[in-house]
Amino acid sequence: DVKVTQSSRYLVKRTGEKVFLECVQDMDHENMFWYRQDPGLGLRLIYFSYDVKMKEKGDIPEGYSVSREKKERFSLILESASTNQTSMYLCASRGTGLSYTFGSGTRLTVV
Amino acid sequence: GENVEQHPSTLSVQEGDSAVIKCTYSDSASNYFPWYKQELGKGPQLIIDIRSNVGEKKDQRIAVTLNKTAKHFSLHITETQPEDSAVYFCAAFPRGEGYQKVTFGTGTKLQVIP
Repeated sequence: DVKVTQSSRYLVKRTGEKVFLECVQDMDHENMFWYRQDPGLGLRLIYFSYDVKMKEKGDIPEGYSVSREKKERFSLILESASTNQTSMYLCASRGTGLSYTFGSGTRLTVV
Repeated sequence: GENVEQHPSTLSVQEGDSAVIKCTYSDSASNYFPWYKQELGKGPQLIIDIRSNVGEKKDQRIAVTLNKTAKHFSLHITETQPEDSAVYFCAAFPRGEGYQKVTFGTGTKLQVIP
């Protein structure tokens, strides 16, 4: 069964910390995505990558960066965490088809 | 860019009744419309999808209908069961840009009351 694994289910970080959210997929998919999920706002795209070392900004990239050094791994980085980045973060991957496979999410709380 | 509106935001139905969730989209170039189900503590999972060259698709108790003229598509769940309780998201994929810029709806929390 195809799988997208996010390393942490819950994280609590302090304001100003640098935060790394890790995502690994085992499907050899080219495309990987980071979304933020907030009540009433749905899923908003932060960044995506269509190949190793390639990245594109999504709709809300401010305050975030990403890294894709290997095809299977896509990391989201919060350079200096702020309380308004408290949210659920979802990683997804997609191959040549249109179906997305999502991870279970990381609920990040910034205090 | 594409704008997707999803209604209602919450929906409660009695077990055995039907549930309908509707999404409207703005970009007439969109041609692929999936529905995702997100259970508590899990990521969204694809449950059904439809392409713009068909008007309806069914899979057991769930169906999706598409009206290209009116630019809306709907998810229909019949004979609802408690395990259908979840958050449902629609999405619209615009042609071009490698289908990267998919737009999701804001979600509908469905509660099926036993």
